[in-house]
Amino acid sequence: AQSVTQLGSHVSVSEGALVLLRCNYSSSVPPYLFWYVQYPNQGLQLLLKYTSAATLVKGINGFEAEFKKSETSFHLTKPSAHMSDAAEYFCAGRGSYIPTFGRGTSLIVHP
Amino acid sequence: DGGITQSPKYLFRKEGQNVTLSCEQNLNHDAMYWYRQDPGQGLRLIYYSQIVNDFQKGDIAEGYSVSREKKESFPLTVTSAQKNPTAFYLCASSGTSGPNTGELFFGEGSRLTVL
Repeated sequence: AQSVTQLGSHVSVSEGALVLLRCNYSSSVPPYLFWYVQYPNQGLQLLLKYTSAATLVKGINGFEAEFKKSETSFHLTKPSAHMSDAAEYFCAGRGSYIPTFGRGTSLIVHP
Repeated sequence: DGGITQSPKYLFRKEGQNVTLSCEQNLNHDAMYWYRQDPGQGLRLIYYSQIVNDFQKGDIAEGYSVSREKKESFPLTVTSAQKNPTAFYLCASSGTSGPNTGELFFGEGSRLTVL
């Protein structure tokens, strides 16, 4: 069964600094992988997704993620954090019909 | 516009009462899901349905029930058997073919509080 692990329940950065949110997956079959963002009291919205077309995936709001099979990782990055990036971020995988979510990482952005 | 609508957004329940959360989608998706979200625990799958008139239990189905009589609708009932129902509930749907396969589309959520 596929599982997804997010390292770090909270990540704190200064405005303008690099954002790095970590996600590792376990699967014997190349999966679909996703990053979602959730603002308080709202549903999740898709940031980006990997579907094997390209290992570097660009998403909305300046975020991107790189699929590294050798490391079974799909880390999310953004070169320069903005105050509006403060939110909960979820990595998710899907090797079958059942999506699997990580526990989420709360991104805190300091002025 | 296409999307998923959950209602109500906020709901209060007395202990011992059943409540039903509505989820409607007009995306023509075959699959629909219900998740429960608690602080620090991520999203936990309650029930899912891949086709009309069929659904399966997720990881935490006890105390919940669902129906899938129409493709567009997947209501969740939180029964009195659910011992700790206070949580944020999220409904989602996804297509099972085409370029968006695997991508979940979420509603805005329903926050249930037991008094």
